[in-house]
Amino acid sequence: DAGVIQSPRHEVTEMGQEVTLRCKPISGHNSLFWYRQTMMRGLELLIYFNNNVPIDDSGMPEDRFSAKMPNASFSTLKIQPSEPRDSAVYFCASSLGSRTGELFFGEGSRLTVL
Amino acid sequence: AQSVTQPDIHITVSEGASLELRCNYSYGATPYLFWYVQSPGQGLQLLLKYFSGDTLVQGIKGFEAEFKRSQSSFNLRKPSVHWSDAAEYFCAVGETNFGNEKLTFGTGTRLTIIP
Repeated sequence: DAGVIQSPRHEVTEMGQEVTLRCKPISGHNSLFWYRQTMMRGLELLIYFNNNVPIDDSGMPEDRFSAKMPNASFSTLKIQPSEPRDSAVYFCASSLGSRTGELFFGEGSRLTVL
Repeated sequence: AQSVTQPDIHITVSEGASLELRCNYSYGATPYLFWYVQSPGQGLQLLLKYFSGDTLVQGIKGFEAEFKRSQSSFNLRKPSVHWSDAAEYFCAVGETNFGNEKLTFGTGTRLTIIP
């Protein structure tokens, strides 16, 4: 079975450019999460969707970040404009939404903003 | 708000030796606790979880963890490590208001295995 699929795996861009990260969750999973991982701050939850609806976006750093989930099989995380401090690995994860606490993570998108 | 502390940033263990990774949590209610493992360049994978019941829980790859309420700890153990266990290990606590799906992770412990 396919796991969580993220694209691109690596992105290098210049400050001020728009960045779009994509995620395809595991089929049948009801919840989707976007995390950011950096050396300084570790793993931070950015936003959490359940049944395509944003439940908690308190971790979104600022208005430059936005996330959408137009349907059950696709989500995007957009940064506009990007800044060097946004450089990180961004993980998407999905779960069954059955209170198991088991999240299935993608392999991550490594973003470098120059 | 809940929080998780992993006091050891990096641990080095000889292959075949026993392992214990420490985790302390802060949470007002009964905690739902997890250990995840991250291999280089990969996402995180669930090792084990504690919701209730027996305080000693078994996980995949021969790992176990013990929940100790009096010490607010959930330490991960393995009796004999293998070179393939080299990875980063994250302890996490689930927020019950969000169905235990909203996880707060610790900063991680990087495990190095030496021959």
